Parts: sequence; C-alpha cells; structure tokens
Amino acid sequence: QKEVEQDPGPLSVPEGAIVSLNCTYSNSAFQYFMWYRQYSRKGPELLMYTYSSGNKEDGRFTAQVDKSSKYISLFIRDSQPSDSATYLCAMITGGGNKLTFGTGTQLKVEL
Amino acid sequence: EAGVAQSPRYKIIEKRQSVAFWCNPISGHATLYWYQQILGQGPKLLIQFQNNGVVDDSQLPKDRFSAERLKGVDSTLKIQPAKLEDSAVYLCASSLEQGASYEQYFGPGTRLTVT
Repeated sequence: QKEVEQDPGPLSVPEGAIVSLNCTYSNSAFQYFMWYRQYSRKGPELLMYTYSSGNKEDGRFTAQVDKSSKYISLFIRDSQPSDSATYLCAMITGGGNKLTFGTGTQLKVEL
Repeated sequence: EAGVAQSPRYKIIEKRQSVAFWCNPISGHATLYWYQQILGQGPKLLIQFQNNGVVDDSQLPKDRFSAERLKGVDSTLKIQPAKLEDSAVYLCASSLEQGASYEQYFGPGTRLTVT
C-alpha cells in the first residue's frame, strides 16, 4: 500500500463547476499537507499548505484536512480553463524533510 | 523574486552515456532538493542539501548518481552511466531552511530521455 493515494483521473468538468480533489494517506505522523499544481512540461507550483487538521482558504481554493480519517481535499470554486493541470498532494511529518507525493490528479476544465 | 533555475530543459542521451544537470535555487534558500519524476507519478526525493552538506541521500542510487553543492548555492546532479529507466523529469526545489521543508519551490525541471 502506498503512503499517499490519489486518483489519477482524468477529471473533466465544465467551466464554473466546483472541483473536489482528494488524497488519502496511511502515515499518522504526517503534520503538513500541501497542494501543488503542475502544468504540462512545468515544475510543480505550491498552491497552499495546511498544518494539522482544519480548513484554509485562498481565493477560489480551499484546502481541507481531516486527520481522523486521514483524508485531505482541495476544492476549486468557479473553475476556469486555466485551472486545467495536474494537482499533486504532498505531505510531510512534523520536523521531517521529505515530501511524500501522491501520483497527481489530471484536471481538465472545459469551456 | 527569481525562481529556481534549471538547465538544460531537455536532454536526450544513449544508455551508458553520462549527463549532468544544473540548478540555481531561490536567493537566500539554504535547503536544496533534487527529485525524480517518472511519467504518471509524483516526484520522488533523491537528495537534500542543507547549505553544502547532505541531509538525506537515502533514495539516491549511489552507484550511478552523484550530486554536489560545493559553495552552498548552485548544485549539479550527475548520472553515469545512464540506464533506460532513468528517463524522467529531474526537478530541483529549494526552501528557506530545512525546518521549512513544507514550503518548497520547484524549478521547471530537466526532461531526460535515455535511448
């Protein structure tokens, strides 16, 4: 079993839809939870990170962490074609140095 | 603020040849990471430097891969000899310090194809 599981998609939604992207994990020592966006042939871009459980909002993006269920989510409101990319979740233990990534979910927002 | 710079962007070599990648982190970032991203997978950490010292190289195939960060700024990653399974994108990332590993910034990557 992988430490971090993420549905690879592809996920196709119409413009303006609310998108929900999710990851599950098995290591209860993970304390920081990150979401990266990766456009084709580009490096991952850090969208946001969350410490421990709870929600964090940044513009159209909301990250949610439920440590009791070992489940994290990224919600994108009013999705745009420019949001079409691969979204990677990543996690790290408190005081740790190594990010553990999911495989990424490919998202396509269609006009 | 300039981001993480990497070169070359693309490289095609034959198996058993050698190749080197270069990375310049964000100014002031003490911690530098090299990742390997195989198509359809998330990045996997190869090596982490804190200034010019190695913090973690547990997943670096040391029989063929080497990396250095001599002056605590730029870094090079070398593969010698290359194998077909080394075909991947090699990403460099940096963070302000080791304790801020949750806030890593990535470069555009070098896409390596081994034929």
